[in-house]
Amino acid sequence: ETGVTQTPRHLVMGMTNKKSLKCEQHLGHNAMYWYKQSAKKPLELMFVYNFKEQTENNSVPSRFSPECPNSSHLFLHLHTLQPEDSALYLCASSQDLQAKYFGAGTRLSVL
Amino acid sequence: GQNIDQPTEMTATEGAIVQINCTYQTSGFNGLFWYQQHAGEAPTFLSYNVLDGLEEKGRFSSFLSRSKGYSYLLLKELQMKDSASYLCAVSPDNYGQNFVFGPGTRLSVLP
Repeated sequence: ETGVTQTPRHLVMGMTNKKSLKCEQHLGHNAMYWYKQSAKKPLELMFVYNFKEQTENNSVPSRFSPECPNSSHLFLHLHTLQPEDSALYLCASSQDLQAKYFGAGTRLSVL
Repeated sequence: GQNIDQPTEMTATEGAIVQINCTYQTSGFNGLFWYQQHAGEAPTFLSYNVLDGLEEKGRFSSFLSRSKGYSYLLLKELQMKDSASYLCAVSPDNYGQNFVFGPGTRLSVLP
């Protein structure tokens, strides 16, 4: 148990579906992140929220839409995804410069 | 630009010592992190170096040379459970949010 919980752990969706990934952190951290991890590629930062304010958006396509209702919860809303979006999506949290703590991830397959 | 290099794969024998190297070229430097990631699980924090030298933590040690843009993770008395991917990451600025991750090194420990 890392203190960062992600649901669901696995998700299969068609290109026309709408789904949401959920992340919850129990560590009292002030920053939360979404990363994408594809096979044989480095972790890619997608979004950063600091004190519920989005501070980073690394040119992520609009079919990915983040939501951070409070400092403990983070969502990633998905719609009209492409097969190349299939990957492991990792949520993380941190406090200032301290190490990031990751959730177990959601393995997403887009058919 | 930001770039981090690691060997893709390494193999070692149970009980042995292995050194995983990491070289980086980043716009700034505010700390280097090592993570361990078992297949299908979250990355977990191993070590943090911000000053030159060796940081020891049990069977794991991490070394940093800022002038050379170089770090290594040293694993002693290898165990089968150490088979995992090891990720090197650099924080290039004071915000601590803009980590750059390397591609990871997949370590296989053989009996």
